[in-house]
Amino acid sequence: AQKITQTQPGMFVQEKEAVTLDCTYDTSDQSYGLFWYKQPSSGEMIFLIYQGSYDEQNATEGRYSLNFQKARKSANLVISASQLGDSAMYFCAMREEAAGNKLTFGGGTRVLVKP
Amino acid sequence: DVKVTQSSRYLVKRTGEKVFLECVQDMDHENMFWYRQDPGLGLRLIYFSYDVKMKEKGDIPEGYSVSREKKERFSLILESASTNQTSMYLCASSPAPSKGETQYFGPGTRLLVL
Repeated sequence: AQKITQTQPGMFVQEKEAVTLDCTYDTSDQSYGLFWYKQPSSGEMIFLIYQGSYDEQNATEGRYSLNFQKARKSANLVISASQLGDSAMYFCAMREEAAGNKLTFGGGTRVLVKP
Repeated sequence: DVKVTQSSRYLVKRTGEKVFLECVQDMDHENMFWYRQDPGLGLRLIYFSYDVKMKEKGDIPEGYSVSREKKERFSLILESASTNQTSMYLCASSPAPSKGETQYFGPGTRLLVL
């Protein structure tokens, strides 16, 4: 079974609007962390935001927020006020405590921001 | 700033060639990782290392080997390159396990095997 599932292969969003990128995960570990990364066309992976399984508050970093629903095993990324520079691939990843420092990635979602 | 560098951004090799991909990090990180990235599959872990001279297989180690002789350098080796190893290869490093600590990625190497 897939540990990280991103069901949206690609999506368009209008500039200045918000967009939600879906991520569901599968783990039996009680202690885990969820990460979101952005990959522009240049190829580098840029860390955006982190949510720990025991964190009670949803994580926020500037225009990025993570909608963490533990019971549903979902960790959706919300980008507010989209900018043209947000056009990129976005990856959700999970680290399970039992797996040490390894990350498991989803297949990614390509976002294209329209002016 | 953490810096992870990879020896090449683009590489073209022929089937059967031995290929070396080098990765160097400058933050004294214990952990280093090699991933390959393919469309629709995200990043898949090939090998990782928690310490010098130590290596562990990831999810897709077949056809690859690694070497970590020094803490800052982690090499990925394709003993006999094949066309199905055409891919984007990403190296990453991180400090010892810490819940909120991200991995830091290099710029990637796009490898084409003809």
